[in-house]
Amino acid sequence: QQPVQSPQAVILREGEDAVINCSSSKALYSVHWYRQKHGEAPVFLMILLKGGEQKGHDKISASFNEKKQQSSLYLTASQLSYSGTYFCGTALNSGNTPLVFGKGTRLSVIA
Amino acid sequence: GAVVSQHPSRVICKSGTSVKIECRSLDFQATTMFWYRQFPKKSLMLMATSNEGSKATYEQGVEKDKFLINHASLTLSTLTVTSAHPEDSSFYICSARRSLAGFGTGELFFGEGSRLTVL
Repeated sequence: QQPVQSPQAVILREGEDAVINCSSSKALYSVHWYRQKHGEAPVFLMILLKGGEQKGHDKISASFNEKKQQSSLYLTASQLSYSGTYFCGTALNSGNTPLVFGKGTRLSVIA
Repeated sequence: GAVVSQHPSRVICKSGTSVKIECRSLDFQATTMFWYRQFPKKSLMLMATSNEGSKATYEQGVEKDKFLINHASLTLSTLTVTSAHPEDSSFYICSARRSLAGFGTGELFFGEGSRLTVL
């Protein structure tokens, strides 16, 4: 079942922060976050596993709330290069199974 | 560098012809590869799971006779769009995981994608 992402789109000025949410009605094993620029393949950002964890690199971090089956991606002090569509992909188990992606959140960072 | 390579990146063909897209894992063996399709400004929709040495598993609604998948070796999966029509025009992307400590923790590597335009 496809995870639900919100918001659908957001416009930020450089330096502003944003939060993108991804929720599922099923118990998840892991949540994967990707960013896709127009005409390109998705680029991996990070994976979060069940058990509730938080990860981050540079000014992009994420958390996974197992009780709520919800993951949030935090973008702080946004840069122009952050623009793109963010997808969360979910896995129900630890096997080599495909990810089911949300509909995406289009982020536009303007100067 | 890229770990999954896809070819061609762009292809334009006439209606009724067949098009083959190749997906290769460059420095690892992939017993399983996943094929996704993406329409403009839409999400990645799983089409099928390609299994080395056996038949592919197709998602509901995906015509297996139209989208032929062959996974003949541990590093190569091909998707052939047969008798293509304009509605088959789309962005096709393959992906695979390296076998790390448990697949569920492994990053899904995507190929560069193939943009198909059927005239």
